[in-house]
Amino acid sequence: AQTVTQSQPEMSVQEAETVTLSCTYDTSENNYYLFWYKQPPSRQMILVIRQEAYKQQNATENRFSVNFQKAAKSFSLKISDSQLGDTAMYFCAFMTNNNNDMRFGAGTRLTVKP
Amino acid sequence: GAVVSQHPSRVICKSGTSVKIECRSLDFQATTMFWYRQFPKQSLMLMATSNEGSKATYEQGVEKDKFLINHASLTLSTLTVTSAHPEDSSFYICSAGPGTGRRFGDTQYFGPGTRLTVL
Repeated sequence: AQTVTQSQPEMSVQEAETVTLSCTYDTSENNYYLFWYKQPPSRQMILVIRQEAYKQQNATENRFSVNFQKAAKSFSLKISDSQLGDTAMYFCAFMTNNNNDMRFGAGTRLTVKP
Repeated sequence: GAVVSQHPSRVICKSGTSVKIECRSLDFQATTMFWYRQFPKQSLMLMATSNEGSKATYEQGVEKDKFLINHASLTLSTLTVTSAHPEDSSFYICSAGPGTGRRFGDTQYFGPGTRLTVL
């Protein structure tokens, strides 16, 4: 079974600073996909970034980038130039290549302070 | 990006009644839809996978007779909570994806969720 672990229940960062959220996972699969989703107070799940395991290059989306370490099964999210609107729950998620169901970590509550 | 809607956004019902929640993909056709449950301050837990035209696949521990799922078309899946009890109160989220013709691993798109309160 695949498991996703987020070891930081809560984090805070000053506006304009950089913060890194941790995620590790466990799987015996070789092909899979990793995601970071953001859930603001509205509770709408918003895709932040997606990484395909067979790609060595780390995914980047504007201020969001990942550090994907396949051997270590680590998938951290870096948020640069943090903005107040980044305040939300962040979930790391895993999806195998066999089906499309997604497994989520417990989440990290990020607060960006002015 | 693709849009997924859920209706209703909030529902309050009496214990023992049944509640139906709809999940629609508005601008794409989804071969698969998923239903999640989220308790306060917790993560999303997959309840079931719904494929159009076939029976849903339920996760271990989820009662299929309690949570009825119907996926009648490529744009609509429904979750019916039968004989609801207060412990069924939760936030229910659906997602859809991949789109028809897309491969596995494609992005899922999430609905805005439905808050169910059973009195």
